[in-house]
Amino acid sequence: DAGITQSPRHKVTETGTPVTLRCHQTENHRYMYWYRQDPGHGLRLIHYSYGVKDTDKGEVSDGYSVSRSKTEDFLLTLESATSSQTSVYFCAISESGDGYTFGSGTRLTVV
Amino acid sequence: QKEVEQDPGPLSVPEGAIVSLNCTYSNSAFQYFMWYRQYSRKGPELLMYTYSSGNKEDGRFTAQVDKSSKYISLFIRDSQPSDSATYLCAMKWNQKLVFGQGTRLTINP
Repeated sequence: DAGITQSPRHKVTETGTPVTLRCHQTENHRYMYWYRQDPGHGLRLIHYSYGVKDTDKGEVSDGYSVSRSKTEDFLLTLESATSSQTSVYFCAISESGDGYTFGSGTRLTVV
Repeated sequence: QKEVEQDPGPLSVPEGAIVSLNCTYSNSAFQYFMWYRQYSRKGPELLMYTYSSGNKEDGRFTAQVDKSSKYISLFIRDSQPSDSATYLCAMKWNQKLVFGQGTRLTINP
């Protein structure tokens, strides 16, 4: 996916541990988003950012926090991972808030 | 009730068939309407984008929006096995996209 990378691609972690997922872009886009994708629910917005240090909550933000200290990086942190947070996490970027470009996803398993 | 409803399928059709994928929505504030295609274990990619009622064509793909009925469609003509993927509708409001559940489509050779 041109200009956007997610790390790690896969992670297994234990219940109760903190986890941080990273999204890095080289497009200098203003908007960045974190979504989770689960069967039967499609893509649901967790948090998004509209500029450095400017973030807001999405529809499923409980248990998650984000930070954006630089234009190119948007971090998603699970403060204390739970099994319900087992999911595929996608980062997306957008210049104008219209068409999004998605990363390849991070597959997170909480055991 | 979800803001965006999409039949998850799965939908299986023979190669060459015309495919119709649909979404309904409840929020009249939605301004932009998109279709994304997602291959297995990949991120979604933007396929079609429109902001007005009516039809928009791009090759074998046609996106249709009916704001009065709160209904959008994606038509695929002369479907190919390479079209096999999950198709997600998405609608924009207030700088955020809201997605449908996605429809899993298989085109059989």
